[in-house]
This record gives sequence, C-alpha cells and structure tokens, in this order.
Amino acid sequence: DVVMTQTPVSLSLAIGQPASISCKSSQSLLGTSGKTFLNWILQRPGQSPKRLIYQVSKLYSEVPDRFSGSGSETEFTLKISRVEAEDLGVYYCWQGTHFPRTFGGGTKLELK
Amino acid sequence: QVNLLQSGAALVKPGASVKLSCKASGYTFTDYYIHWVKQSHGKSLEWIGYINPNSGYTNYNEKFKSKATLTVDKSTNTAYMELSRLTSEDSATYYCTRGSYGGYDYWGQGVMVTVSS
Repeated sequence: DVVMTQTPVSLSLAIGQPASISCKSSQSLLGTSGKTFLNWILQRPGQSPKRLIYQVSKLYSEVPDRFSGSGSETEFTLKISRVEAEDLGVYYCWQGTHFPRTFGGGTKLELK
Repeated sequence: QVNLLQSGAALVKPGASVKLSCKASGYTFTDYYIHWVKQSHGKSLEWIGYINPNSGYTNYNEKFKSKATLTVDKSTNTAYMELSRLTSEDSATYYCTRGSYGGYDYWGQGVMVTVSS
C-alpha cells in the first residue's frame, strides 16, 4: 500500500498567518493517464470531511483562493496564504492513483 | 444540489451484522462511483472500497474484503454497505462519498457504528 506521510502533525497559528502542510507518498502518484491524483480534504470539528483540492492543485469551486496546492511525484504541499478562523480543523492528503486508496495521518490546524 | 444522506447511528452486538445506507440525490446516481471510508475515533481515514452503481462492480481494500459487502439499489438511488461479524474494532464512523476526477467531491454526514454487548 502507498504510505502517505503528513507533517507537521499539528499547527498553531494566528489569524492572518500563512500555513504550509507537507505530504509525502511512498510511491509516485503520477498515473498512467499522466495525471496525479493527490487530493486534500478538511475535516472541521464534529463534521464530515469536505473537499478542498484535487489533482494536486485544482481547487473546488467554493474553496477560497487563499488555498493552494503544489507538488509532483511523491512530494506535495498545501498552503494557506492567510489563515482565517473557518480554516481550523484537520487536513488530510490522500491518493487516488493506486489501490487501495490511502490517507495521510492528518494535520491539525489550531488557532493561536 | 448533490446530497448523500446516510442512515442513523447503529448500536449492534458483537458477532452481528449491520447494513448502512447512503441515499444519493441531486445527480444521476449511475454516473458516479460511491466509495466508503472508515474513521475510527480520533484517527485517520481508511478506504474500504467502491461500487459502480451502473454495473454493480466492486473493488475492495484487501483489509475489508471479508468484512464489508457493497451493493446498490438503482430504483431508490441508494448505496449500501453491510458489515459482518462485528467486533469492537469495527466501532467507528463510516462515510460514503462520491468519486469524481480522482477525488471525492461530496461526502455523506457519516454514521457512527458502536459494537457493544
């Protein structure tokens, strides 16, 4: 199985500060289609996960542009340019290239 | 609008089975695969498998092959997951989610399963 490793495990930031979360995979996520199926989701406290980013860098329509995703092959990054209160929760990266699908351990974003 | 509505919380006895439902609305049910994901309390997420509602084809995580059975009822736009021979390790929240472009674009609200005598 592809192991997804996220760092840091937790982040404590003030409103307006930037955030960066790393996600590394044990195998390349570049698929035979030429696409890389690395995704990011956010789980707010007490809620189900919500979509954020798909295929490394594509934001879903309702996601604010302060979020961005980048990376290739085995190393990926989620960035928030300026953290807002609604951004708190646990961020997960997960891969949709290989079976079984696998998730990172999560990064908890807390507000300072 | 797309919605995945899951059945309510379940309390089941060890050794028993439980069938969870996920009713889809707001889109053509047979156009998108339905995936199921497990989240044990306070932990990360595990992919259980997916079903193609159009053909009924399924793909399971090897870890859940003898635990979970995925089915659909196209007449009611509902996906089901049956979990068998339940133990305390199966106590968790289970989500259904819609697969799209290699991602999951909509998630159900989750259903908590508690296995206890």
